[in-house]
Formats: sequence, C-alpha cells, structure tokens
Amino acid sequence: AQKITQTQPGMFVQEKEAVTLDCTYDTSDQSYGLFWYKQPSSGEMIFLIYQGSYDEQNATEGRYSLNFQKARKSANLVISASQLGDSAMYFCAMREWETSYDKVIFGPGTSLSVIP
Amino acid sequence: NAGVMQNPRHLVRRRGQEARLRCSPMKGHSHVYWYRQLPEEGLKFMVYLQKENIIDESGMPKERFSAEFPKEGPSILRIQQVVRGDSAAYFCASSQTGTSGSYEQYFGPGTRLTVT
Repeated sequence: AQKITQTQPGMFVQEKEAVTLDCTYDTSDQSYGLFWYKQPSSGEMIFLIYQGSYDEQNATEGRYSLNFQKARKSANLVISASQLGDSAMYFCAMREWETSYDKVIFGPGTSLSVIP
Repeated sequence: NAGVMQNPRHLVRRRGQEARLRCSPMKGHSHVYWYRQLPEEGLKFMVYLQKENIIDESGMPKERFSAEFPKEGPSILRIQQVVRGDSAAYFCASSQTGTSGSYEQYFGPGTRLTVT
C-alpha cells in the first residue's frame, strides 16, 4: 500500500495566485513527521516545511503553509503568491518515528508550473 | 543543504563496470542516508548508516549494491556490474541524529548515474 499519495501529477497556477498541492498519508504510528521538499529542474532537493504529528498549529514558512488535517491524514502544501521560480517538482514525505524512524518515505511528486 | 557534498555529480558507466558514489555529510552529522530516484519517480530509501555501522539496509538491492561509512572519509555507495536499470539519480542525506530529536535530513545535490 502507498504510504504517501499525491494525486496531482501536474498542476498549473497563474503567477501571484495561491495554489494547494495535495498529500495524503497512511501510518499506524502516533508519532510521525510530514515534510515537503521542492526539486527544481537543476535536481537538488530543497526542504520547505515540516509538520509534527503532535503539533497543534499548522506549520508556516514564509509563503509556504501546511494544511494539516490529522483525522483525514492529509498534509496539503499551500503556496501563496506564486512566483515563476516556484515551478518545480514537489514531494510530500513522511518519517514514522515509531516503526521506521530512520528513513524518509516520499510520495510520487507533483509537477507545478507557474504561468506568467 | 549546501553542506552535504556528493561527487561526482554525473557518472557514466558501461554495463558491467563498477560505480562508486561518494557522500560527505554536513559538518557535525554522523548519520547518512542514501536514496535512489528513478526517472519520473520520487525518491526511494536505500540504506541508513552511522560511522562504521549499517543501521538499515532494507531498501538496498541484495546483489551488486553495497554501502559503507568509514570512521574517516566519506560514505561510499558502490554498485558492481552496473546494468541499464541502475541509471538514476542517487541522493545522499545527512542528519545529526536518527530520531525525532533532529527531524530534518539535509540532502546533497545528487549523483546522476547513466549506464550505457
């Protein structure tokens, strides 16, 4: 079974608008962490934002915010005021602190294209 | 993530040759993780190492692949007798600890292996 599901293979957004990238996850652990990474065409993996399963407030980092809905097991990434430089692949990922604390499990990714 | 060094950035090997990928973690980090990214896919965990120890190699193919992280020097991912299916981007990540005490893994720029 897929641990991380990203149902949007590709997304388009107009520059300066907000966009939501979907992510759902599957775990039986009570303690886990959720991450979003950005991978531009140059290939490097850039850490964007982190949400712990016990964090009561949604994480925010600048223009990035994580819409964490624990009961629905979703951790959507919201990018506000999109910029051309936001065009990239975006990966949702999870670490399960109880069962597999060491590895990061990645979703298949969403390709975001920002249109001028 | 600029602190994790990987070399070479690009590596071309003929079928049957050996590939050696090197990773120097961020200063002060003693935990190293290797991931493989096949074209159009997300990253898949391969192996987690600490100095002189393999902690989790559950994602590593049983044959031809090996990894080490010696007391001195970089971590090495070694692929013997490469085949075309080994063509991928190989990412190294490092962290201070392997548990929730330090949740973030910092990624290197990756090594792109092409098998001809």
